[in-house]
Amino acid sequence: QKEVEQNSGPLSVPEGAIASLNCTYSDRGSQSFFWYRQYSGKSPELIMSIYSNGDKEDGRFTAQLNKASQYVSLLIRDSQPSDSATYLCAFQRGRGADGLTFGKGTHLIIQP
Amino acid sequence: GAGVSQSPSNKVTEKGKDVELRCDPISGHTALYWYRQRLGQGLEFLIYFQGNSAPDKSGLPSDRFSAERTGESVSTLTIQRTQQEDSAVYLCASSLGWNTGELFFGEGSRLTVL
Repeated sequence: QKEVEQNSGPLSVPEGAIASLNCTYSDRGSQSFFWYRQYSGKSPELIMSIYSNGDKEDGRFTAQLNKASQYVSLLIRDSQPSDSATYLCAFQRGRGADGLTFGKGTHLIIQP
Repeated sequence: GAGVSQSPSNKVTEKGKDVELRCDPISGHTALYWYRQRLGQGLEFLIYFQGNSAPDKSGLPSDRFSAERTGESVSTLTIQRTQQEDSAVYLCASSLGWNTGELFFGEGSRLTVL
């Protein structure tokens, strides 16, 4: 059964702090993991992808993957008010949309 | 244009009418997806096209929903005999191939069924 769990929030973080978003998944066959950001009233946009265990850094964003524990996380350093959005995690088994499952998202609020 | 284009951006219709939504993917993207997002909810997969292969229709909620795509170009999603529960934003996304989850989304078509 393919499921992805995210805390819906809202998660409130003060400006300049580290925001930590977590996601767990149940499909052990998952191979690829993604974080999408969705601003209110807008479409999702890809911000990070991660395929192997460990950390992947891109600017202020770090994605962390632990396949043994079946979780993936996203850290946002030096949080800015413009980071306020809903963050969707998604995973893929490996073939097409059948394996691409989105979580319901975590609503992040960065407080100035 | 450089991005995924969807039309109409907004559609208001009466219950029982048919609606057609259009998606023009990024040039060169062979994979095309339709998702539905109800207000405050997550993304619900509807259908997926990859090149000339048979589409994955496993997410279509009922036989009132259908979609077509000609080759690697424009796709249309048709909803027949619309119901109020069909009200949602319908998102189209494209990607370079079937084995990537790096999707590029259009701005969506907001459907309101009265």
